[in-house]
Amino acid sequence: EDQVTQSPEALRLQEGESSSLNCSYTVSGLRGLFWYRQDPGKGPEFLFTLYSAGEEKEKERLKATLTKKESFLHITAPKPEDSATYLCAVQGGGSNYKLTFGKGTLLTVNP
Amino acid sequence: GAVVSQHPSWVICKSGTSVKIECRSLDFQATTMFWYRQFPKQSLMLMATSNEGSKATYEQGVEKDKFLINHASLTLSTLTVTSAHPEDSSFYICSARDSPPDTQYFGPGTRLTVL
Repeated sequence: EDQVTQSPEALRLQEGESSSLNCSYTVSGLRGLFWYRQDPGKGPEFLFTLYSAGEEKEKERLKATLTKKESFLHITAPKPEDSATYLCAVQGGGSNYKLTFGKGTLLTVNP
Repeated sequence: GAVVSQHPSWVICKSGTSVKIECRSLDFQATTMFWYRQFPKQSLMLMATSNEGSKATYEQGVEKDKFLINHASLTLSTLTVTSAHPEDSSFYICSARDSPPDTQYFGPGTRLTVL
């Protein structure tokens, strides 16, 4: 059974204070690892897909990396508008494209 | 691109009534759509996988006769909550798979409140 564990559960940063979110996973035949951002009362917004160990992707202040056991979402010089819950999900090889989600990390960036 | 809409965005109904929620992929065709529910401060829980032209596949513990799913076209899936009760109150979110690259794009969600 695919499993995803995200840490920390919650993270408070000052504006400009860089940090990283962790996503540890176990999966049978990784088809893809996905990062989403979710604002309160809204559906998740797609950020990145990573397919193989060593892959990195960037978007504005966010950078996602992948190893064989975990993924990191690095946030550089965050702004208050980066405050949200960040969700990590994996898609296994035999999953019929289903995603297994972690519980998320609630990020709060104070001005 | 890759926009998914849901309608309605919120609904309040009386116990015992049925509610239909629509999920549409606006700018791509989706052979597979998914339905999730989310309780406050919890992550998404997959309810069912909807494949165009075939019966939906439900996750363990999800009552298929209570949550009816229809995926009649490549851009539309519907979830009908039948004989709704207060415990069905939740945030329902759909997603549509764009292939390639097999990414799920999510709708904005529907808040269901059953009185």
